[in-house]
Amino acid sequence: GNSVTQMEGPVTLSEEAFLTINCTYTATGYPSLFWYVQYPGEGLQLLLKATKADDKGSNKGFEATYRKETTSFHLEKGSVQVSDSAVYFCALSERWGAQKLVFGQGTRLTINP
Amino acid sequence: GAVVSQHPSRVICKSGTSVKIECRSLDFQATTMFWYRQFPKQSLMLMATSNEGSKATYEQGVEKDKFLINHASLTLSTLTVTSAHPEDSSFYICSLEADFDEQFFGPGTRLTVL
Repeated sequence: GNSVTQMEGPVTLSEEAFLTINCTYTATGYPSLFWYVQYPGEGLQLLLKATKADDKGSNKGFEATYRKETTSFHLEKGSVQVSDSAVYFCALSERWGAQKLVFGQGTRLTINP
Repeated sequence: GAVVSQHPSRVICKSGTSVKIECRSLDFQATTMFWYRQFPKQSLMLMATSNEGSKATYEQGVEKDKFLINHASLTLSTLTVTSAHPEDSSFYICSLEADFDEQFFGPGTRLTVL
């Protein structure tokens, strides 16, 4: 079946550091790919998404590119802030137009000032 | 985006009792809602898809008689954990389908069964 694998956390960085959180997937067909973020005490929020190969999703300084050849969707940010501390989930939707999401295990990110 | 609330945020109950969790869409009429559960340090696992006015669709391995889902209106879906046991202790999260390819999530309900 379809699956998503994220790099294990927790990840701790200093403010202004470069961030990469790796995500790879296994899927049949052509899934859409997502990054969701969960801030403390809040529900998951969509951070960015990409719906086809080579698409780049971006939001709030975060970017991720849909790489079909490597089945990856790594999350990057050039300069992190303390406010980026959260849990990040990579996910895919299994079918076009259907929103059955398959999630990775989540990566807890802590940014120290 | 849509705003989703869940009630209660935390619940502790005795083994054998039933617990109802509400998921409300505050500003969006949702024909489809989803229920997930999340164990500590693990991923969210889809339990069921809740469709307004019809029976829920359960994922493989999820007992429909244990996890009763009711989606009686466009703004409310409920999950009832019947005869709860300690192994049902988990974090339950609902979401709704709004825009194409986007879900909006509630803040979750932590269930502890003693």
